[in-house]
Amino acid sequence: KAGVTQTPRYLIKTRGQQVTLSCSPISGHRSVSWYQQTPGQGLQFLFEYFSETQRNKGNFPGRFSGRQFSNSRSEMNVSTLELGDSALYLCASSLVQSYDTEAFFGQGTRLTVV
Amino acid sequence: TQLLEQSPQFLSIQEGENLTVYCNSSSVFSSLQWYRQEPGEGPVLLVTVVTGGEVKKLKRLTFQFGDARKDSSLHITAAQTGDTGLYLCAGAGFQKLVFGTGTRLLVSP
Repeated sequence: KAGVTQTPRYLIKTRGQQVTLSCSPISGHRSVSWYQQTPGQGLQFLFEYFSETQRNKGNFPGRFSGRQFSNSRSEMNVSTLELGDSALYLCASSLVQSYDTEAFFGQGTRLTVV
Repeated sequence: TQLLEQSPQFLSIQEGENLTVYCNSSSVFSSLQWYRQEPGEGPVLLVTVVTGGEVKKLKRLTFQFGDARKDSSLHITAAQTGDTGLYLCAGAGFQKLVFGTGTRLLVSP
């Protein structure tokens, strides 16, 4: 079966702009989690969506937001981009809540803010 | 704040050597997962350990969960170049996965 698909793979944005990243989970998976990965901070949890509802949120500013659609596809948005937002953004899908079951990760979107 | 510290951060070894990676925390986790991530890819789950003291083997990889469910180790026997990658532990608790700081392993021929 198809894996987790993230689009786009690479993005270059300017400070102050906003960006929307997309994640299509594995068919049948209802949970989508988003993570930010940087060399200095490692993998940091952003938020998790399950059946269109945000179930948990990490310690990120309100500029980071997300949503999930009825087909379980998810988007995350970052507004007013800062240089420090440059990172690999990963989404993971799982059948149910991600923390207690296998999470399948996409290849990520590498965002560069200049 | 839950923290998972991994050691060592970097490891460069020759093919055929053995190695152990440690994942330590002051928090108790309901389960602990180990992932491997290769360049340009997302992490891939290797194993989940649930019970304190549990040992799981995956070919040349041996995973152990500490008795108190606060720490874990990954031992690789006779490392191969294909084992090169970033190894991440992740603890399940408080309704989210908390990832460790990562161990970057390089196995040279």
